[in-house]
Amino acid sequence: DSGVTQTPKHLITATGQRVTLRCSPRSGDLSVYWYQQSLDQGLQFLIQYYNGEERAKGNILERFSAQQFPDLHSELNLSSLELGDSALYFCASSPGAGYQPQHFGDGTRLSIL
Amino acid sequence: DQQVKQNSPSLSVQEGRISILNCDYTNSMFDYFLWYKKYPAEGPTFLISISSIKDKNEDGRFTVFLNKSAKHLSLHIVPSQPGDSAVYFCAARVDSSYKLIFGSGTRLLVRP
Repeated sequence: DSGVTQTPKHLITATGQRVTLRCSPRSGDLSVYWYQQSLDQGLQFLIQYYNGEERAKGNILERFSAQQFPDLHSELNLSSLELGDSALYFCASSPGAGYQPQHFGDGTRLSIL
Repeated sequence: DQQVKQNSPSLSVQEGRISILNCDYTNSMFDYFLWYKKYPAEGPTFLISISSIKDKNEDGRFTVFLNKSAKHLSLHIVPSQPGDSAVYFCAARVDSSYKLIFGSGTRLLVRP
């Protein structure tokens, strides 16, 4: 158990819809990272927050947004969903802004029908 | 542009033998490298890491080697155990950045 909690575990929705993925970091960790893993691919970095502020951005689509709340949990919002957004979405956390290693949750599997 | 490459999608070894997983990278600005292990339906689990100023790091049965001139990273598991069967990802961090760039993974099967 990494201590990083992601909900829900599975999400099935339709094209054009909007969903919210939630992540609670390990106790004491201030940084949260979001990654997308499409079928048989490596994890693609989406975005990082540190203590409520955005710190780094990867190839995150404009239809996607995220935030980190004062209690340090984070949400990833995906809107106008397309079939190609079907993937595993992982959240990771670490104590500091650039501190490694990152510890991962078990992911949310998003299926777009 | 795939900056971190794991060219072997799968590897099968006998229990007790050595498993060697390889990773190549192209960006000379990477300053920190990590290996993660992933079981089905679980998130990646951190295994071992190495800074770019070192060429070897050891932790129990796991050793990571870094050859900067060749831009090559390898993970050695000795002796291999059936419980080591999983997908292994190498990842790299760009100096002054916070994101990790992952390879596509190698599926290791350790046969009893």
